[in-house]
Amino acid sequence: GQNIDQPTEMTATEGAIVQINCTYQTSGFNGLFWYQQHAGEAPTFLSYNVLDGLEEKGRFSSFLSRSKGYSYLLLKELQMKDSASYLCAVRTRGYGGATNKLIFGTGTLLAVQP
Amino acid sequence: DGGITQSPKYLFRKEGQNVTLSCEQNLNHDAMYWYRQDPGQGLRLIYYSQIVNDFQKGDIAEGYSVSREKKESFPLTVTSAQKNPTAFYLCASSISARRTSGAYNEQFFGPGTRLTVL
Repeated sequence: GQNIDQPTEMTATEGAIVQINCTYQTSGFNGLFWYQQHAGEAPTFLSYNVLDGLEEKGRFSSFLSRSKGYSYLLLKELQMKDSASYLCAVRTRGYGGATNKLIFGTGTLLAVQP
Repeated sequence: DGGITQSPKYLFRKEGQNVTLSCEQNLNHDAMYWYRQDPGQGLRLIYYSQIVNDFQKGDIAEGYSVSREKKESFPLTVTSAQKNPTAFYLCASSISARRTSGAYNEQFFGPGTRLTVL
């Protein structure tokens, strides 16, 4: 089967660093995405990893280890506006041709406290 | 401005009625997707379309139907056969995987429609 696991909730303090983990078991891995979703709003794209290693974009970084089926999203210098759900999604390969189908984890609800 | 629009933002229907959710994009994307989001669950794929006049079932297609007559539009009909239709529905679009094998090819999401069946 295909499975993506993330912690359900996390709490962190403004100005601190938080790491949100994601483990996956999927067939035909073809990239991993992180999205941010504020309550009642659309998910917005944060980062993408397809090769092992760290990708850095400002305050956000994402890491991937394909051999371990593991990724994390690192948020630095936390701000109150970072309170949101963070969704891990894996793109799979389809049979008979490429597709852009994503499998989503349940999301991690991050609460940033003053 | 380029983007994806969904309307309406909130929709109420009586049980047993069919309802159609609108999704329009002007990003010139070939591929479009419909997801359902329930509390405590991740996004689940209902239907997707990689090109006009073609679409495939996702993981939870039962009780739903779609059409893709135009590149810009991918409406979703929630039929009376859907047992638990109350949910947050998200539409997304992307460059088709058939056009590019590289880059991010991330999906762009619309603002969502919250459907409540009474």
